[in-house]
Amino acid sequence: GENVEQHPSTLSVQEGDSAVIKCTYSDSASNYFPWYKQELGKGPQLIIDIRSNVGEKKDQRIAVTLNKTAKHFSLHITETQPEDSAVYFCAASGADSWGKLQFGAGTQVVVTP
Amino acid sequence: NAGVMQNPRHLVRRRGQEARLRCSPVKGHSHVYWYRQLPEEGLKFMVYLQKENIIDESGMPKERFSAEFPKEGPSILRIQQVVRGDSAAYFCASDSSGGTEAFFGQGTRLTVV
Repeated sequence: GENVEQHPSTLSVQEGDSAVIKCTYSDSASNYFPWYKQELGKGPQLIIDIRSNVGEKKDQRIAVTLNKTAKHFSLHITETQPEDSAVYFCAASGADSWGKLQFGAGTQVVVTP
Repeated sequence: NAGVMQNPRHLVRRRGQEARLRCSPVKGHSHVYWYRQLPEEGLKFMVYLQKENIIDESGMPKERFSAEFPKEGPSILRIQQVVRGDSAAYFCASDSSGGTEAFFGQGTRLTVV
């Protein structure tokens, strides 16, 4: 089955700097790669996703890149703000069901003013 | 336009009791997924259901756990004879046929004492 690894487990950045989180996956059949933000006591919220026919996607301060050959994908947050502090999860799934996701272990991001 | 609704938000059970967790998907969504999140870990897939059908239960423990998604009403995750190790946050997600993302609820935090 699919195995997703995520690094780093914690990330501390100064406000205004960039944050990068990296994930690798094992199943070459995976073709959907979402990123979720989870705040304390809340459910995961989708912030951006990418599908295997695309190499990069950007939405304001957030961007995701995908390298299918190397089986890794990354989340980039630019101009970080204190409200970006949360746990971020990468995930992967196949085309048969978008909701059956294999999650990474998460990255605790702390943005200090 | 309500999102995925889970209740209760918090549930305390004594060892040996039964826990029932409810999930109402986004209106119009016919697919429901249950995930478990242990403290400071990622989400682990448990089961994927469509109306009146279990599609994939590969992540469900073999004993004490069951799930259903009846024709009418919410999806139910049932844990019989709970043990301390069942203490976790349980999240439900839903999507639709042809949909492109899964929406998560706020979760039910189960504590077994």
